[in-house]
Amino acid sequence: KQEVTQIPAALSVPEGENLVLNCSFTDSAIYNLQWFRQDPGKGLTSLLLIQSSQREQTSGRLNASLDKSSGRSTLYIAASQPGDSATYLCAVKDSNYQLIWGAGTKLIIKP
Amino acid sequence: GAGVSQSPSNKVTEKGKDVELRCDPISGHTALYWYRQSLGQGLEFLIYFQGNSAPDKSGLPSDRFSAERTGGSVSTLTIQRTQQEDSAVYLCASSLDLGSDTIYFGEGSWLTVV
Repeated sequence: KQEVTQIPAALSVPEGENLVLNCSFTDSAIYNLQWFRQDPGKGLTSLLLIQSSQREQTSGRLNASLDKSSGRSTLYIAASQPGDSATYLCAVKDSNYQLIWGAGTKLIIKP
Repeated sequence: GAGVSQSPSNKVTEKGKDVELRCDPISGHTALYWYRQSLGQGLEFLIYFQGNSAPDKSGLPSDRFSAERTGGSVSTLTIQRTQQEDSAVYLCASSLDLGSDTIYFGEGSWLTVV
């Protein structure tokens, strides 16, 4: 059974710092991996999608990597801003087309 | 519509009462998903629809939970005889079809059972 784990559960850093969020999964048979952002009281917004054949994706200050063989993904946020404060969730799409979710990392960027 | 719409946005109900949660997906999206998110937890998959069909209902937590979709559009998630452990955010999402990578979420229905 696929399990997704995110470390750390919470992170607080000063504005301007670069940071890395981690996601690990137990079964390498995935179609893709996505990173989402969730703001309090809001739905989820997709940030980056990495197909199983890809190694990384970039969007602005965000870079996500995927190492399928080791079951790991990282989300790198450069030059963090207070507006980046949110909960970041990773999800893998398994062989049944279902999204399996991590519990998220709650990120606080201090001005 | 422009996005996935869920109602009610907040619901407080007494233990033992039935509740209905509604999801209106993006027009033209054939795939619709229901998830549950408890406080501080990730999303728990409940059920998906391809058109009006839900091939796999094994993700529903108990037989008190049921879901239907009519006309390939609106879906309702019904919880009968609510219990306090049902308190959570219920998120609906839709995508163009089951294989689509892009999935759009509603803002959720916050259910509190007292």
